[in-house]
Amino acid sequence: DAEITQSPRHKITETGRQVTLACHQTWNHNNMFWYRQDLGHGLRLIHYSYGVHDTNKGEVSDGYSVSRSNTEDLPLTLESAASSQTSVYFCATYTGLAGDEVGELFFGEGSRLTVL
Amino acid sequence: AQSVTQPDIHITVSEGASLELRCNYSYGATPYLFWYVQSPGQGLQLLLKYFSGDTLVQGIKGFEAEFKRSQSSFNLRKPSVHWSDAAEYFCAVDLRGQAGTALIFGKGTTLSVSS
Repeated sequence: DAEITQSPRHKITETGRQVTLACHQTWNHNNMFWYRQDLGHGLRLIHYSYGVHDTNKGEVSDGYSVSRSNTEDLPLTLESAASSQTSVYFCATYTGLAGDEVGELFFGEGSRLTVL
Repeated sequence: AQSVTQPDIHITVSEGASLELRCNYSYGATPYLFWYVQSPGQGLQLLLKYFSGDTLVQGIKGFEAEFKRSQSSFNLRKPSVHWSDAAEYFCAVDLRGQAGTALIFGKGTTLSVSS
């Protein structure tokens, strides 16, 4: 079955360190997204990509970057981690069934990042 | 810019009672609208979605939602709540008016179910 995998699932790092969260999907969909989830804020869009070499900033992109070198992967990098970036991060892509015009945004299991 | 407002942060209903969760959106055209549910410690699961056609849409787990353009609302309903429905519910709207694009989520409504 097609799936979306995030790694690591849990990570603790120190302020100022570079961190990369991996996201790999086998749906072969062009569109991929990164969200962060924080209590009281719901899910906020960080970056998204609509295809190889395409990246776009979302609602809360400062301090984050992404790159898209192939269809399957969209790694999220925190260039210099800050305590404010302690959060749960979700990667997502669309699953499209034949005849389903809208599709479904399908989420990975999340990566919990703690910045000390 | 598109936005979603869920006015109720926390709602408590009795098991067996009816439920309505409110969602208001800000969007210039006909949006794609979604409701997702997240159980404690779990990922997000799609309950239902709307793009066009019948304004009353049915979803999984006995949920339904009604799109009202005049009120810019997409409220989620269930006639009889079960204890297992306790979770956080998120309303979302698409960013670009196209299928498969980024979604903007509301801040969520936490549902508690009392016995």
